[in-house]
Amino acid sequence: GESVGLHLPTLSVQEGDNSIINCAYSNSASDYFIWYKQESGKGPQFIIDIRSNMDKRQGQRVTVLLNKTVKHLSLQIAATQPGDSAVYFCAEIPYGGATNKLIFGTGTLLAVQP
Amino acid sequence: DGGITQSPKYLFRKEGQNVTLSCEQNLNHDAMYWYRQDPGQGLRLIYYSQIVNDFQKGDIAEGYSVSREKKESFPLTVTSAQKNPTAFYLCASNSGTDTQYFGPGTRLTVL
Repeated sequence: GESVGLHLPTLSVQEGDNSIINCAYSNSASDYFIWYKQESGKGPQFIIDIRSNMDKRQGQRVTVLLNKTVKHLSLQIAATQPGDSAVYFCAEIPYGGATNKLIFGTGTLLAVQP
Repeated sequence: DGGITQSPKYLFRKEGQNVTLSCEQNLNHDAMYWYRQDPGQGLRLIYYSQIVNDFQKGDIAEGYSVSREKKESFPLTVTSAQKNPTAFYLCASNSGTDTQYFGPGTRLTVL
C-alpha cells in the first residue's frame, strides 16, 4: 500500500487498551479542528470535530480534547481494536476562515498489537 | 451509493506527458479540492473550486491545472511542467461550513 506512514511518529498499543494521539496546532486563532483517520492506500475518513468554544467532545469510542492554552488537541480511542490501525491526523481552520482553508498536521501512525 | 470517486486508482506517467485525474461527487457539494500527499508529510492544497466555472490556486499549483465545468466533476491535470509528480492525489468536497470529505485517492507514478 501507499507509504503514508513512512517516517511518521508511531504509537504502538495493545488491543483493548486506550490510545491517545496528540496534535499541536500552530495558530492560536484557529476556530475549528478535525481528526481524520487514513488507512493505507485509502483516502482520509472524518472521525470527529470540535469547535474552539468547547473543551471536549465525544463520539463512538472516541473523544477529542482541546486545550487552547497550550494549543494542543488530542484524540482518545477507547478499547483500541486492530481495525483502528491507521494514520491519524488533525486539521485546523483559523478563526473566520472558510472550510477550504484546512491546515493539516503530518499525522501519527497507530499500530495495534493483537 | 453517495460519495466521492476518483479514477484511476493507479496511474503511470512517462516523463513529458500530461495526465488527467478524475474526481466525481454526487453529494451535491458546492466546493471541491485537490490535495497532494507525500510520504511523511501533511496534505498540501493544489487547487480548489467553490463554485462551477471558478477555481483558485492552492499552495502548490505550479505544474497543475483544473477545470470545473460541472458541479459534480473537478478533474486535475498534471502537466509536464510538474517536475516531481509522483505522489498520492486526494480529492475532497464540502458544502457551506461542513468539513471536507475525501475520495479514495489516485497513486501517480512517473516512469
